[in-house]
Amino acid sequence: AQSVTQLDSQVPVFEEAPVELRCNYSSSVSVYLFWYVQYPNQGLQLLLKYLSGSTLVESINGFEAEFNKSQTSFHLRKPSVHISDTAEYFCAVSDKAAGNKLTFGGGTRVLVKP
Amino acid sequence: IAGITQAPTSQILAAGRRMTLRCTQDMRHNAMYWYRQDLGLGLRLIHYSNTAGTTGKGEVPDGYSVSRANTDDFPLTLASAVPSQTSVYFCASSVGPEQPQHFGDGTRLSIL
Repeated sequence: AQSVTQLDSQVPVFEEAPVELRCNYSSSVSVYLFWYVQYPNQGLQLLLKYLSGSTLVESINGFEAEFNKSQTSFHLRKPSVHISDTAEYFCAVSDKAAGNKLTFGGGTRVLVKP
Repeated sequence: IAGITQAPTSQILAAGRRMTLRCTQDMRHNAMYWYRQDLGLGLRLIHYSNTAGTTGKGEVPDGYSVSRANTDDFPLTLASAVPSQTSVYFCASSVGPEQPQHFGDGTRLSIL
């Protein structure tokens, strides 16, 4: 079965500093990859996705993630964070061999400090 | 505004009681899902439905049942609630199983 590991459960970071959230998944021939963001007391919202093509994907609010097939990773980065980026971030993998059901990582809570 | 509506927003329930969590979407998505979210475990899939009239078991289906009589509705039933089912429950939908999922705002359920 597919598994997704987010190595950091919490990441404190100062405003305007860079942040990287790590995500690794168990090996699979063909996967789709997603990052979701969850603000307090809300559901998850799609941040960005990798389905095919360029291995570097970007969101409209400055986040980017790079698909690395050899390392089975999909790390999320932002060069300069804002207070409003305080949230929990979930990496998710859809495995074609498993009927494309999503498997989520345990989440990384980002706390941006002024 | 199009999206997913979950009800109730929160509920406190005595152990042994039956409870149905409601989920309705107006996006005409084929696939729908129920997850539970527990601290440090992320979201775990309970049940899913790829299209109206079909359902399937996810990672943690025991103690839960679902039905998909039409495209829009996907209720989740706890036949006899137990304290370990205390969690936040999210309903989601997608155009198809390989597409990004849209989530409701969740139901916070406490079983005493």
